[in-house]
Amino acid sequence: EDQVTQSPEALRLQEGESSSLNCSYTVSGLRGLFWYRQDPGKGPEFLFTLYSAGEEKEKERLKATLTKKESFLHITAPKPEDSATYLCAVKYRRYAGNMLTFGGGTRLMVKP
Amino acid sequence: EPEVTQTPSHQVTQMGQEVILRCVPISNHLYFYWYRQILGQKVEFLVSFYNNEISEKSEIFDDQFSVERPDGSNFTLKIRSTKLEDSAMYFCASMSQPGEKLFFGSGTQLSVL
Repeated sequence: EDQVTQSPEALRLQEGESSSLNCSYTVSGLRGLFWYRQDPGKGPEFLFTLYSAGEEKEKERLKATLTKKESFLHITAPKPEDSATYLCAVKYRRYAGNMLTFGGGTRLMVKP
Repeated sequence: EPEVTQTPSHQVTQMGQEVILRCVPISNHLYFYWYRQILGQKVEFLVSFYNNEISEKSEIFDDQFSVERPDGSNFTLKIRSTKLEDSAMYFCASMSQPGEKLFFGSGTQLSVL
């Protein structure tokens, strides 16, 4: 069965304490893996797209990496404003269009 | 930055009633989507729309659901006879070209009583 699984479900960090979020996927024919940030009561906000194993993207304190089975979102020296739910989603060959299949998200809380 | 706008932000309805959720996608975008998120669950794809027709839909998107682009700016989701299990946050999204960023609106929280 095609699946996208994120871990941990929730993560509490102290400000400045770096960590990583995981997104593992079991789909065939990956056409793209996407990271989004979602604040409470808001829609997902695009962060990164990764297309092939070995690819990395960076934006401020965030860095996304991709292997053939999983993706990591590394957060370096997080600040309280990084607190949000981080979602990963995949687009894969089963669906010819642009449909995204989302994971359950990781709720990140950064304490000052 | 341009935004996808959704109205209303909250909608409360009685079971069996029809609701229309409205979205104004980003003006030069051509691909439109509806997703939903039941409280505590994953964001789920409902339907994609391009060139005035549905291009893909999930098993959730049954005969009770329909989408329309009634004019050059609005994109609507209609639920004909709402059920309790339709209660969710509904997100509209749009994209200019395949492979580009998918922009989401802030959502409409639908509560079916």
